[in-house]
Amino acid sequence: GENVEQHPSTLSVQEGDSAVIKCTYSDSASNYFPWYKQELGKRPQLIIDIRSNVGEKKDQRIAVTLNKTAKHFSLHITETQPEDSAVYFCAASAVKYGNKLVFGAGTILRVKS
Amino acid sequence: SQTIHQWPATLVQPVGSPLSLECTVEGTSNPNLYWYRQAAGRGLQLLFYSVGIGQISSEVPQNLSASRPQDRQFILSSKKLLLSDSGFYLCAWTRTGTGDSPLHFGNGTRLTVT
Repeated sequence: GENVEQHPSTLSVQEGDSAVIKCTYSDSASNYFPWYKQELGKRPQLIIDIRSNVGEKKDQRIAVTLNKTAKHFSLHITETQPEDSAVYFCAASAVKYGNKLVFGAGTILRVKS
Repeated sequence: SQTIHQWPATLVQPVGSPLSLECTVEGTSNPNLYWYRQAAGRGLQLLFYSVGIGQISSEVPQNLSASRPQDRQFILSSKKLLLSDSGFYLCAWTRTGTGDSPLHFGNGTRLTVT
């Protein structure tokens, strides 16, 4: 089945700096790649997603890029703020696996003020 | 708009006791429904998913079971809880169809087995 690896497991940045989280997937049939943000004790919430027919998508300070050839996608957060501190999960899904999302292990992002 | 309700928010149960967690979705028909578990500080483990009434797929062998008695209702159960069943349980839904539909989570149930 699909396998998603996420790096780094923890990331500390200074407020105002950029943060980049990278994920790789194993199955070239995967066609949907969402990113979730989970604050302590709360549910994961979708922050941005990208489909396989698009290479990049941006929403204010966050952006996602997809490289289908290399089978990796990345989350970019610019001008980080303390409220960006959370756990971030990437995921991938493919029709052949019943469209179930396979999640990465998560990245703990700490933004220091 | 669609909403997902999950209850209770927290639960403390003794080892060997039964469990029933309920989840309902409003504002959509025939959703795909999921149960995830998250151990403390860990990732999201898919436990069960359902594409329709009475249709349940189990992802991992365990002490739990799931049922879908109605289109928008998903129930997670156990006959006898184990200490290892402690965790944060999340119900989620997606639209049926093409597969590029976002997964929406409920607020979760924090289960502590003592």
